[in-house]
Amino acid sequence: NAGVMQNPRHLVRRRGQEARLRCSPMKGHSHVYWYRQLPEEGLKFMVYLQKENIIDESGMPKERFSAEFPKEGPSILRIQQVVRGDSAAYFCASSLPGLDIQYFGAGTRLSVL
Amino acid sequence: DQQVKQNSPSLSVQEGRISILNCDYTNSMFDYFLWYKKYPAEGPTFLISISSIKDKNEDGRFTVFLNKSAKHLSLHIVPSQPGDSAVYFCAASALYNTDKLIFGTGTRLQVFP
Repeated sequence: NAGVMQNPRHLVRRRGQEARLRCSPMKGHSHVYWYRQLPEEGLKFMVYLQKENIIDESGMPKERFSAEFPKEGPSILRIQQVVRGDSAAYFCASSLPGLDIQYFGAGTRLSVL
Repeated sequence: DQQVKQNSPSLSVQEGRISILNCDYTNSMFDYFLWYKKYPAEGPTFLISISSIKDKNEDGRFTVFLNKSAKHLSLHIVPSQPGDSAVYFCAASALYNTDKLIFGTGTRLQVFP
């Protein structure tokens, strides 16, 4: 039973480029969450999605960041025109409906040069 | 505004002894608490949780205690093992907003022989 899969594990982008981070939830999980961890900090909530719906995006920066979870395929976190401050570890988690335990992927480490 | 606080950034414990990790929260609406363990370059792994209707939950070597009046919880690991060396995150959620986990900044535990 595969866990939450994130790819790529490492992503290097130059300033101004786009970054696409992918997340496949655990089998049977329909809820996906994205978190960001800056160095020496805890994880900060970004967005919560269900299939084809954004439920809560209160933690998403207002510009350049977007997320989707289509009917088919993985969830995508998209960062347009990346800046150095976007360098961080981005974690995806998934859960079953109605349960509070979120299971995390190994993360994508984004480095912006 | 840090709603979940882990005031000890690091803790060093001898193998076989008890490790006690502490967490304080400020939001009285939080009613579900989780502990995650994180190794370098990996995602957080769920350890144990507790809801506000309980004051203790035990799972093997891990016990979580909740003191609602003090808005404080602690994770006890006994006996500690070298493999327990990791960063431990406390997280909280509110019944009215179960999509969002609020994380503390983590405590790095080192268990030495």
